[in-house]
Amino acid sequence: DTGVSQDPRHKITKRGQNVTFRCDPISEHNRLYWYRQTLGQGPEFLTYFQNEAQLEKSRLLSDRFSAERPKGSFSTLEIQRTEQGDSAMYLCASSLSGTIGETQYFGPGTRLLVL
Amino acid sequence: GIQVEQSPPDLILQEGANSTLRCNFSDSVNNLQWFHQNPWGQLINLFYIPSGTKQNGRLSATTVATERYSLLYISSSQTTDSGVYFCAVENTGANSKLTFGKGITLSVRP
Repeated sequence: DTGVSQDPRHKITKRGQNVTFRCDPISEHNRLYWYRQTLGQGPEFLTYFQNEAQLEKSRLLSDRFSAERPKGSFSTLEIQRTEQGDSAMYLCASSLSGTIGETQYFGPGTRLLVL
Repeated sequence: GIQVEQSPPDLILQEGANSTLRCNFSDSVNNLQWFHQNPWGQLINLFYIPSGTKQNGRLSATTVATERYSLLYISSSQTTDSGVYFCAVENTGANSKLTFGKGITLSVRP
């Protein structure tokens, strides 16, 4: 069990550019979640997948954001035409559904700074 | 949606002291987790505790679901306990997503 991994760990970009983040969940975990955390706040839910199906999207996820999990394993989160307000920590988590005590395990996050 | 309130917002302790962190939530929950966020931003699982009491070393947690609160106890605090503690809940019927409180910032002084 190698834990949830995210790449890159840090990203600095200019306003208007597109960025893509990757998340590799714990192997065998069929659920994968994306959250966003801004300074001084708790993480906020963005979206989640069960296997390859995207089952829920938050209203925070504007049409500039898209997430995929094509084979039910890793996931990508893309932000198009980045804005300064997108600067945040993007966290990925995974869990195994149907287990007693379904616990979400978080990755180290990707810190995005939009200049 | 469900509201999660944590108190106190900030806590300063001397090494060796005990503390109690509180989490109140506004609706029934399927899941409640306590996390410790380290200075690098990593969220570390402490407890999965939608009800009942659990202990892990110097940490213990109690959730009284009928009264909609959870408590995290830290005994004999150490400087390495410093960081932000989050309570997160999954509202019944909320499709697995966690709603987090704003966190409690704990500073343990040597």
